[in-house]
Amino acid sequence: GAVVSQHPSRVICKSGTSVKIECRSLDFQATTMFWYRQFPKQSLMLMATSNEGSKATYEQGVEKDKFLINHASLTLSTLTVTSAHPEDSSFYICSARLYPADTQYFGPGTRLTVL
Amino acid sequence: GNSVTQMEGPVTLSEEAFLTINCTYTATGYPSLFWYVQYPGEGLQLLLKATKADDKGSNKGFEATYRKETTSFHLEKGSVQVSDSAVYFCALSDSRGGGNKLTFGTGTQLKVEL
Repeated sequence: GAVVSQHPSRVICKSGTSVKIECRSLDFQATTMFWYRQFPKQSLMLMATSNEGSKATYEQGVEKDKFLINHASLTLSTLTVTSAHPEDSSFYICSARLYPADTQYFGPGTRLTVL
Repeated sequence: GNSVTQMEGPVTLSEEAFLTINCTYTATGYPSLFWYVQYPGEGLQLLLKATKADDKGSNKGFEATYRKETTSFHLEKGSVQVSDSAVYFCALSDSRGGGNKLTFGTGTQLKVEL
């Protein structure tokens, strides 16, 4: 149980386009979802925390207008990278919290490459 | 702020060898400490955790002890198997179960060979 999926697993796009990444909790309802970013040989960095039905809370230094997060339902959160540039190329990972358990369940990640 | 430092990989071992992956942390207050494992193509999974000083977390033959005096949480296993090949992440959180913000280390890739 407690499976989280991400789609797509890999995406390549041209500079200036927008890309949407989906994060789904498959067998549980997640009131809170987290979005992380990982650069090669670096740690996962929390980008934002999203609670269903409310605006996401972004970490310091993360541009909320560039990384749009929507958490419209208890099983789906989306991250949209707007006007992507090569420096946005990274590995994006989501996780979902199973309330009231104090545990995060992670998706397998999405590799974004911006040409 | 909080931070986690873990040894760089990859670590390559022969099957049945002893494993140690070092992890040290910097944090305010009294965080909970975690080890997550990521197998190829899968999401991070919680391997073990410890919520207070001197606690030992253990699972699947892996163990780690929360050492407040040395701010460390080293991962150990007495005899590794090929199936243990994965990336291991050390992390800390201000919540006991890790349901809130997690601060991760860079991850250490483990390769176990026959």
